[in-house]
Amino acid sequence: DAGITQSPRHKVTETGTPVTLRCHQTENHRYMYWYRQDPGHGLRLIHYSYGVKDTDKGEVSDGYSVSRSKTEDFLLTLESATSSQTSVYFCAISGASQGIYGYTFGSGTRLTVV
Amino acid sequence: DAKTTQPNSMESNEEEPVHLPCNHSTISGTDYIHWYRQLPSQGPEYVIHGLTSNVNNRMASLAIAEDRKSSTLILHRATLRDAAVYYCILGGTQGGSEKLVFGKGMKLTVNP
Repeated sequence: DAGITQSPRHKVTETGTPVTLRCHQTENHRYMYWYRQDPGHGLRLIHYSYGVKDTDKGEVSDGYSVSRSKTEDFLLTLESATSSQTSVYFCAISGASQGIYGYTFGSGTRLTVV
Repeated sequence: DAKTTQPNSMESNEEEPVHLPCNHSTISGTDYIHWYRQLPSQGPEYVIHGLTSNVNNRMASLAIAEDRKSSTLILHRATLRDAAVYYCILGGTQGGSEKLVFGKGMKLTVNP
């Protein structure tokens, strides 16, 4: 497909446990983003990255951290999962640095915190 | 951030044209207008974007008002597959280096 994959696709975890979601791209795009989507809120930006080891916070970053040690991987970590972090998480990539317009989104990870 | 206003929902009939409106009265001179859509159980997908002139691609057309305070996404012949949530977004570049802020979007229902 579009060269972006998210793993896992589904996960159920217990409150208080750490969780890491992975976004992997094969497009060599510079920009990567993590969003969450909840009913009534649309998509909200959690963190984003402009390159290796270059990340910044979005509008709902509390309780989340990210890492990008390689161009192709952008990891989202919930240090201690809470029920409020039950959501669908989407990763996106952008090829703007290569003159490619628009974001490409992954298929999403559905996370349930019980 | 400049914001957009869309209806919560619209309905159309299959094989008919549909015009999806978006108001953005506080748009700045450098803001591009981006449209994405999200099919059920999928991530959003890019539809079209523009700055001042009307734009066409294989998916849709984008008509931008002369004062740029509103725009309309035009699906020339709606199909059942076009049923989705449509997002109108303003971005300061061509949608890559600057993060895009998605609102709640507008749900389009296509009737057979």
